[in-house]
Amino acid sequence: GIQVEQSPPDLILQEGANSTLRCNFSDSVNNLQWFHQNPWGQLINLFYIPSGTKQNGRLSATTVATERYSLLYISSSQTTDSGVYFCAVRFKAAGNKLTFGGGTRVLVKP
Amino acid sequence: GAVVSQHPSRVICKSGTSVKIECRSLDFQATTMFWYRQFPKKSLMLMATSNEGSKATYEQGVEKDKFLINHASLTLSTLTVTSAHPEDSSFYICSAGDLKRGGLETQYFGPGTRLLVL
Repeated sequence: GIQVEQSPPDLILQEGANSTLRCNFSDSVNNLQWFHQNPWGQLINLFYIPSGTKQNGRLSATTVATERYSLLYISSSQTTDSGVYFCAVRFKAAGNKLTFGGGTRVLVKP
Repeated sequence: GAVVSQHPSRVICKSGTSVKIECRSLDFQATTMFWYRQFPKKSLMLMATSNEGSKATYEQGVEKDKFLINHASLTLSTLTVTSAHPEDSSFYICSAGDLKRGGLETQYFGPGTRLLVL
C-alpha cells in the first residue's frame, strides 16, 4: 500500500554536528513537504520539495522523485533544532491528502 | 502570511460532553481544510477533509457522528467531538492550503488543540 517511511526514528546529536534524515515513499508524488514539530506541537513548514534541491540557512533538502526518496540535511546543529521532523507526501493516486511518515525525533545536546 | 489559527489551544472536559474546535485561515481563503489527530509520540493521522459548502470526507475508521465537521466559510472550519470519552483525548491539528499560493500544493498547519476528557 501507499507508505511513507522515515529513518532513523531517533537521533541524538552533539551541538555543532551535521546529520541527514531520510524519507522513502512508495509511489509517485505531486508534493513532498518537510516539517519541524516543536515541543509545543506546532508544525513548521521547512520545505516544499517534490523534486530537486533547496536550501534555507543551515537546512537543505533533496528529493529524487524517480528513486522515491528525500533527504533533509541539518548542518551545525543547535539545541533549538530539537523536535520531531516529519516528511509528508501527496501521492498522485491519493488526491489532496497528505500522508505523513512516522517522524524522526531529534535531540541536540549542548 | 499563510497563518492558520486554532481555538481553543487546550480544553479539559467531562466525559459525555461535546467540544467544538475552530480552525481559521487568517490571511488567506481555504476551500479545503484538513483535520488530523496525533497521539503522544506518534505521527499525524488524517481524520477528514473539510470542504467549504459541502459535506466532509472522512477517512476509513473515523466515525462521522462522533466527529462532526462544518466548513461554513472560506476561512473557518469546525470540528465537534460529540459525547466525548477518555479515548478521544488527543492532539487535534487542522491544516489549510492557500489558493493564491498554488492551492493545496503547500499545506499550512494550525498550532493544534489538546483535548483531555476526564
